[in-house]
This record gives sequence, structure tokens and C-alpha cells, in this order.
Amino acid sequence: DAKTTQPPSMDCAEGRAANLPCNHSTISGNEYVYWYRQIHSQGPQYIIHGLKNNETNEMASLIITEDRKSSTLILPHATLRDTAVYYCIVRYSGGYQKVTFGTGTKLQVIP
Amino acid sequence: ETGVTQSPTHLIKTRGQQVTLRCSSQSGHNTVSWYQQALGQGPQFIFQYYREEENGRGNFPPRFSGLQFPNYSSELNVNALELDDSALYLCASSYGTPNTGELFFGEGSRLTVL
Repeated sequence: DAKTTQPPSMDCAEGRAANLPCNHSTISGNEYVYWYRQIHSQGPQYIIHGLKNNETNEMASLIITEDRKSSTLILPHATLRDTAVYYCIVRYSGGYQKVTFGTGTKLQVIP
Repeated sequence: ETGVTQSPTHLIKTRGQQVTLRCSSQSGHNTVSWYQQALGQGPQFIFQYYREEENGRGNFPPRFSGLQFPNYSSELNVNALELDDSALYLCASSYGTPNTGELFFGEGSRLTVL
């Protein structure tokens, strides 16, 4: 699996957009970019995923660069409940389900 | 609420003992994987089961073993417990052939080895 690099921590003011970057420079053509978050001591929660195109759902938007070597998760209006560790991972589109998590970005939303 | 339930939520064991952790997958999910998450670290892949067969394994010794049952529930067994096995153990399920679809995680079982 490709490795990902994320900043260890970020702060964001409540109500503002939170932009969480992720580098995955060794990603291969059949690997998807997934984002999960983990609120303290709970199981990781799926947020969004994409292959090439930008994606949006009710939780967030995912922007993937044209060369696919980096991506940004955008939480458009951060709330205190968005305080969590955010993991960017890449997964093969075939084969078995080994998923490699890094240490993620701890996002602190500030009132 | 992901529909993935794990038991027990917390347990304490001593070195050398054996432990069995259980996971009930979301209805219809035929793929389950297990992860170990040490304090302050991201989850580490242990192994995956698809249609009751192990079809992928991370860097964990054979004393970590598992089972998946016809109803897609599963177990993680750890023999000869070591202090470093203290961690949150997460179960994740998904539908379809392995590596398709998002993973749904349970809340985990926190194991403390004394």
C-alpha cells in the first residue's frame, strides 16, 4: 500500500472550513483515497473516498490533485463534534483488504 | 451506528493467557477484517476473512488467529498474551469482494494485559 503523510495536528475555528491535507506521492493507478475519522476511543468512521475526480457528500468534500499525489478533505462548516483524528489512507481496488493507517491528523475545532 | 457490534467492550488478562474477541458484522456484509490500535497510533491491519477463509494478513504472529462463521460473525483469538498486546481491537466489515466498498468499524474491544 502507498504511504500517506499528514500533519500531526491542526486547529480550526468553529463555523469555518477545515482543510485537511494528505500526501500520497507513491499512489498507484488502481488505489483509491479514503478518509476516515476517529472520535476519542470510538471506531473509525467512514467519511468519503475517491479515485480521480473530486467527490462531495453530506459530510465533506474530497479534492484530489490531477497527478493524484495529494488530496484535501474539506469540512465546510466545522463544528465542535468534528474534533477527531482524521486518517487519509489508500487502498487497492483489487486483492485483499489490507488497509494501512498512518497516525492521522488530530483536528481540534475551537469555539 | 454502523451495525457492527463487538464484545466484550473491555477486558483484562494476564500474560500468557488466551483471549477471544467477537464481532457481529453488519447484516449482509461478507468480508470482515481485524485491526489492533495501540494508544496514540493508527489501527494496524491484522487479517481479513472473506467467505470464511482468511485471505490477507498483516505483520502479526501466528498466535493471532481468527474465524468467520456462516452468518458472517467472526472471532479474533490471541494466544500466549504479551504485555504489548494491550490495545483497542477493532473489527470492520464490508460488502462485496474484498477491497470494494467502505469499511464499517465497530466500537472496539479494549484489552489490557497485566
